[in-house]
Amino acid sequence: SAVISQKPSRDICQRGTSLTIQCQVDSQVTMMFWYRQQPGQSLTLIATANQGSEATYESGFVIDKFPISRPNLTFSTLTVSNMSPEDSSIYLCSVAIGPGNQPQHFGDGTRLSIL
Amino acid sequence: DQQVKQNSPSLSVQEGRISILNCDYTNSMFDYFLWYKKYPAEGPTFLISISSIKDKNEDGRFTVFLNKSAKHLSLHIVPSQPGDSAVYFCAARESGAGSYQLTFGKGTKLSVIP
Repeated sequence: SAVISQKPSRDICQRGTSLTIQCQVDSQVTMMFWYRQQPGQSLTLIATANQGSEATYESGFVIDKFPISRPNLTFSTLTVSNMSPEDSSIYLCSVAIGPGNQPQHFGDGTRLSIL
Repeated sequence: DQQVKQNSPSLSVQEGRISILNCDYTNSMFDYFLWYKKYPAEGPTFLISISSIKDKNEDGRFTVFLNKSAKHLSLHIVPSQPGDSAVYFCAARESGAGSYQLTFGKGTKLSVIP
């Protein structure tokens, strides 16, 4: 499986600020995704990061709040904009290496706390 | 409305015994199911999966059973080891060309007691 590096691993931010999370994969992958895990909750898909075009957002998530870039097949960023305490979560990058019944593989996540 | 449910938030098992983790789903379009294991401060690690055309898949100490009529799957770990102590997530994916989205349960925390 691919090696997925996510930075930063954790951060504490002030409300109203923005933070960009990076996801680097050691090989080219078909698909990259961003998830959020709020305290005590399941992982929820935010969006699919599309290489060279706008990300595809799930219901309840918008580009203005969570801008995503994917300039190539090995790298993506997620920005959490204008943060509030409700954005305190673990944010995870995942990748799908091929089509069909293949599992997604996850990075170690970014633990974000908003004061 | 949760489409994937893990009704047991936690489970304790003695080392060497069997651990059984359960998962129920409501969406009949799900055709691929996965189990992930998560240690603190790490991302989920893929453990085992099963396609809806099967009712059992085995990999070493881990076996996943799928009962489509009951919309239920379970993960069996035999024998359980202290290193198996982690949070286990059940996930499911809908059929359809190009479908990648996974729907996750809330997880079950397994504690294996030495």
